[in-house]
Amino acid sequence: DGGITQSPKYLFRKEGQNVTLSCEQNLNHDAMYWYRQDPGQGLRLIYYSQIVNDFQKGDIAEGYSVSREKKESFPLTVTSAQKNPTAFYLCASSWLPGNTIYFGEGSWLTVV
Amino acid sequence: AQSVTQLDSHVSVSEGTPVLLRCNYSSSYSPSLFWYVQHPNKGLQLLLKYTSAATLVKGINGFEAEFKKSETSFHLTKPSAHMSDAAEYFCVVSEAGATNKLIFGTGTLLAVQP
Repeated sequence: DGGITQSPKYLFRKEGQNVTLSCEQNLNHDAMYWYRQDPGQGLRLIYYSQIVNDFQKGDIAEGYSVSREKKESFPLTVTSAQKNPTAFYLCASSWLPGNTIYFGEGSWLTVV
Repeated sequence: AQSVTQLDSHVSVSEGTPVLLRCNYSSSYSPSLFWYVQHPNKGLQLLLKYTSAATLVKGINGFEAEFKKSETSFHLTKPSAHMSDAAEYFCVVSEAGATNKLIFGTGTLLAVQP
């Protein structure tokens, strides 16, 4: 089936550790995105990439890093510099330009 | 700058009664507007999309929305609520340009009572 796969679904991290969330899509989409969702808030854009080996900061990029070495993959690393990392993280993808964005099932990250 | 406001954070309806979720937007350009639905601990699913064609847009699961430029509104409706409609709904505007950036509302939580 075509779609966007995020893993892991649930992740626990100790303070001071970096963690990487995986996102893979087999839709042949050009663009990929990472959003963060906190309770009672809409989604906020962390990073996006329109093409392989290129990516741009979104509204809340501090404490996060990404890579886009392959068209189908866009992993997100939450670094120890991120002050409040506990959240629900959503990966998304789309064709360009101005096309509908499709979402993965999300990953819960909890800092313990 | 573009923005979107969802006027109700919570809406409760009885099963079988109509649903109205309200959304106002602000845009300097002809916007693309979306409604997404999110069930608990899940990703977002596209319900419907407006892109300057017909002002009344039909979506999945019996939902529809009407684009009203004079009122800058894009309200979501459904004639008869079902228990499975209980979820959070997001109104979204697409920022002009090639970035495909989406601006999300803060969401409306729909509860459906039996």
